[in-house]
Amino acid sequence: AQSVSQHNHHVILSEAASLELGCNYSYGGTVNLFWYVQYPGQHLQLLLKYFSGDPLVKGIKGFEAEFIKSKFSFNLRKPSVQWSDTAEYFCAVEYPGNNRKLIWGLGTSLAVNP
Amino acid sequence: DGGITQSPKYLFRKEGQNVTLSCEQNLNHDAMYWYRQDPGQGLRLIYYSQIVNDFQKGDIAEGYSVSREKKESFPLTVTSAQKNPTAFYLCASRWTGSSQPQHFGDGTRLSIL
Repeated sequence: AQSVSQHNHHVILSEAASLELGCNYSYGGTVNLFWYVQYPGQHLQLLLKYFSGDPLVKGIKGFEAEFIKSKFSFNLRKPSVQWSDTAEYFCAVEYPGNNRKLIWGLGTSLAVNP
Repeated sequence: DGGITQSPKYLFRKEGQNVTLSCEQNLNHDAMYWYRQDPGQGLRLIYYSQIVNDFQKGDIAEGYSVSREKKESFPLTVTSAQKNPTAFYLCASRWTGSSQPQHFGDGTRLSIL
């Protein structure tokens, strides 16, 4: 079955710490990959996406993600987090031949302490 | 500004009542989606529509209904058959071209009185 797994449900960091959130998906073919962020009280917004080409993609607010096909992974990273990065982060995968529906991970809640 | 408008922001329903959540977009997107978000469960797809006058069930369609009479509008009705309707409901839209991301509204929080 098509599925998306986010390994960390809750992460607590101090400001300036480095962040890595794991995302793995179950299908080995061509997929499109997304990270979305939901800041407190705000709507979900796109952080970054990968469709093809350079497997290291850069998004907004200093985030980046690396697509590793052999590991079916698309981990999100940020070298130095800020208090304003406190939010919920969702990984989503668009599988081929699925009417372009997204399969979502359960989300990771990140709290950054000032 | 282009975007997706969901209304109302908060909605209360009595047992046995149907309620309709509004979703309007002025992004000229072809496809629209309804999700339900519960704590710790991520986003679950209720219904989606890729074109006017057509829609498909998602993973948790039971107890819900939709219509797509206009490109910009995709209302969701939560019927009395939905046994656990208290949740946060998100509407999204996108172009149906290759690999387009979904854009989201601010959501509607539905509670049962």
